[in-house]
Amino acid sequence: GAVVSQHPSWVICKSGTSVKIECRSLDFQATTMFWYRQFPKQSLMLMATSNEGSKATYEQGVEKDKFLINHASLTLSTLTVTSAHPEDSSFYICSARDLRLAVNEQFFGPGTRLTVL
Amino acid sequence: AQTVTQSQPEMSVQEAETVTLSCTYDTSESDYYLFWYKQPPSRQMILVIRQEAYKQQNATENRFSVNFQKAAKSFSLKISDSQLGDAAMYFCAYYWGAQKLVFGQGTRLTINP
Repeated sequence: GAVVSQHPSWVICKSGTSVKIECRSLDFQATTMFWYRQFPKQSLMLMATSNEGSKATYEQGVEKDKFLINHASLTLSTLTVTSAHPEDSSFYICSARDLRLAVNEQFFGPGTRLTVL
Repeated sequence: AQTVTQSQPEMSVQEAETVTLSCTYDTSESDYYLFWYKQPPSRQMILVIRQEAYKQQNATENRFSVNFQKAAKSFSLKISDSQLGDAAMYFCAYYWGAQKLVFGQGTRLTINP
């Protein structure tokens, strides 16, 4: 299957700082990327959907000014957690798909664990 | 709105035995996709099996098979000859059109040696 990478795999930051997480599709072009948040022992919660070259569409309740998403190319999307606070600590997962393909499948990155002190 | 329900928060099975994980969903669409994903302790999401709703034949991938009951909106996953490496969280998911994946709450599967 297609490969999606995330960087970093884990990050610890101080409260009030900003953190950027990268999501890359390594062997395919991702027309659409998704960002999820997962709390321990819970399911994935979709935060936003981003299409290459367009503004991201945020799910209800997700602060767009806090979670900045950029999808400037067909292989890279970034999630920036601005002015992070301890309650932002979580596991963040991205996924990607190519809408031009007939295969209706999302390919997931390995996730990034964010800890805000 | 489409919803996916997994009514079994936890399941356990003896190694080499068979276990079935349940999933029901709600939709008014007729053409959609259903998936089972596995999330092991590494937390990497792994696609286990997929089913297109227009196909009547149940999907099978080696030891994994599904029982897709479209009228009942049921999509259970059967794991045969369970192995220790099957221990993980399993998520049922629904997908329609160019929309987002809708996940169930997950079922934690434990394999007893």
